[in-house]
Amino acid sequence: EVQLMESGGGLIQPGGSLRLSCAASGFTVTTNYMSWVRQAPGKGLEWVSIIYSDGNTDYADSVKGRFTISRDKSKNTLYLEMNSLRAEDTAVYYCARDREGLGTGTFGFDPWGQGTLVMVSS
Amino acid sequence: DIQMTQSPSSLSASVGDRVTITCRTSQSISTYLNWYQQKPGKAPKLLIYDASSLQSGVPSRFSGSGSGTDFTLTVSGLQPEDFATYYCQQSYATARTFGPGTKVDIK
Repeated sequence: EVQLMESGGGLIQPGGSLRLSCAASGFTVTTNYMSWVRQAPGKGLEWVSIIYSDGNTDYADSVKGRFTISRDKSKNTLYLEMNSLRAEDTAVYYCARDREGLGTGTFGFDPWGQGTLVMVSS
Repeated sequence: DIQMTQSPSSLSASVGDRVTITCRTSQSISTYLNWYQQKPGKAPKLLIYDASSLQSGVPSRFSGSGSGTDFTLTVSGLQPEDFATYYCQQSYATARTFGPGTKVDIK
């Protein structure tokens, strides 16, 4: 079965750092496009970052320079290193596979993990 | 970034109703448009990808259409388990963006 499971969330003070993990099973992280998506309490979905199968990465402007996406082939795990955290980064963070399409675009996020809550507060 | 709008933002419907949700993008995205269903406290679930392709395991009462900048999600015969929030998402540009969501609740 294809599955993702996030961990690493918690309460952190503004300016602090946190690393989220996303363990995959049933498929290989390094041969897929993988993204992080977040959802602030009571709000909509916001894409955060992507790592492509070739290792290239991209970020939303709101996190560029503060967050770093990476992966570990041996552990089949995706990561999100978050630095200089702000109150507005408070959200449930989901990892998801971004399925490659036939052309330049992709065919949607599936599967998703269950999410991990990051709360930035003093 | 590509901007997304959805209408309506919420709607009330009854079991058995036909429901239509519209999504519009700020620039053409071909058919790189996906639809998700999200229930409270749960991760989103992919329903439709590539504007009109039904994701495996999703009931056939869900359908999608459109291309370019205008897209539609239709639920033909709303079931009790369909009351949820629905999001569209474009996967054409590197910066993936989501619509603001449409909440479907019980009339």
